[in-house]
Amino acid sequence: GNSVTQMEGPVTLSEEAFLTINCTYTATGYPSLFWYVQYPGEGLQLLLKATKADDKGSNKGFEATYRKETTSFHLEKGSVQVSDSAVYFCALSDLWGSQGNLIFGKGTKLSVKP
Amino acid sequence: EAGVAQSPRYKIIEKRQSVAFWCNPISGHATLYWYQQILGQGPKLLIQFQNNGVVDDSQLPKDRFSAERLKGVDSTLKIQPAKLEDSAVYLCASSLDSGQGAYEQYFGPGTRLTVT
Repeated sequence: GNSVTQMEGPVTLSEEAFLTINCTYTATGYPSLFWYVQYPGEGLQLLLKATKADDKGSNKGFEATYRKETTSFHLEKGSVQVSDSAVYFCALSDLWGSQGNLIFGKGTKLSVKP
Repeated sequence: EAGVAQSPRYKIIEKRQSVAFWCNPISGHATLYWYQQILGQGPKLLIQFQNNGVVDDSQLPKDRFSAERLKGVDSTLKIQPAKLEDSAVYLCASSLDSGQGAYEQYFGPGTRLTVT
């Protein structure tokens, strides 16, 4: 079945450090890929998405590229801020098989220190 | 535009008791989802509605969980009787549609359930 695997956390970085959170997926169809973010005490928010191979999603300085050959969608940011501290979830949606349902990874907690 | 509303935000019950959660999606959103998020894990879909019909409830433990969306707008999720392993955050999400459009799902703040 479809699944998402993302790197274990927590990840602790200093402000302005480079961030990478790895995400790989298994899917039988042609999924869309997403990164969601959950700030403390808040609901999940869509951070970025990519709907086909080689697409790059970007938002708020974060970006991720849909790599079909490596079944990956790694999240990157060149210079993190304290306000980026949150839990990040990689997810896929197999539109053809699951009516658009999201399948999430376990989440990676990011803490950014000043 | 108002977001997805959920209530209550927190609930503590004893095992074998019943509990109900309420969700009001964003106006005009046809598709509504309920997810269960156990601590340290990603959300897992419990049930998906398209208007007032069930699209997918394959992961809903139907012996104790039930959900309805009678008028195609707001929805309730019920657990009866609750077990300790039901302790989790219950998330409601809505989207304009599902399927080929890959429409964004908007999430509510969740209801944190603790079963003692």
